[in-house]
Amino acid sequence: GENVEQHPSTLSVQEGDSAVIKCTYSDSASNYFPWYKQELGKGPQLIIDIRSNVGEKKDQRIAVTLNKTAKHFSLHITETQPEDSAVYFCAASRGTNAGKSTFGDGTTLTVKP
Amino acid sequence: DSGVTQTPKHLITATGQRVTLRCSPRSGDLSVYWYQQSLDQGLQFLIQYYNGEERAKGNILERFSAQQFPDLHSELNLSSLELGDSALYFCASRRGHSGNTIYFGEGSWLTVV
Repeated sequence: GENVEQHPSTLSVQEGDSAVIKCTYSDSASNYFPWYKQELGKGPQLIIDIRSNVGEKKDQRIAVTLNKTAKHFSLHITETQPEDSAVYFCAASRGTNAGKSTFGDGTTLTVKP
Repeated sequence: DSGVTQTPKHLITATGQRVTLRCSPRSGDLSVYWYQQSLDQGLQFLIQYYNGEERAKGNILERFSAQQFPDLHSELNLSSLELGDSALYFCASRRGHSGNTIYFGEGSWLTVV
């Protein structure tokens, strides 16, 4: 089955700096890669996703890049703000049923004011 | 607020007991997913129901079962509970049986003592 590794497990940055979280996956047939943000006491929330036919996608301060050859994808957050502090999960899945995704172990991001 | 409602929010029970977790999906959503989030296993997909029928199965133990009722709410039944079943159980929903965005509830905290 699919295996997703996520690094780092914790990340601390100063407000305004950039944060990068990286994930690798094992199943070359995976073609959908979502990123979720989980705030304390809440469920994960989709923040951005990318399909395997696209190399990069951007949404305001958040971007995701995908390298299919190397089987890794990354989340980039620029101009970080304290409200970006949360746990971030990457995931990978085949086909169109994203709910069946295999998740990374999560990265706890702390943005210091 | 994602529109997905889970009850109870917290539950403490003894080993060997059985509990039922309940999920009401967003209005109009036909798919319901269950996940387990624990410290040692991370976030894992358990099972999916679509319009009352089991659609996909993940790492769900035989002691666990689920169902989706005609009004589309779902229940996850956990029996013969062990200490290791202590975790946060999430429900998520989506309009169809495939596609991208899924919406998570806030979870049910289960503690087995």
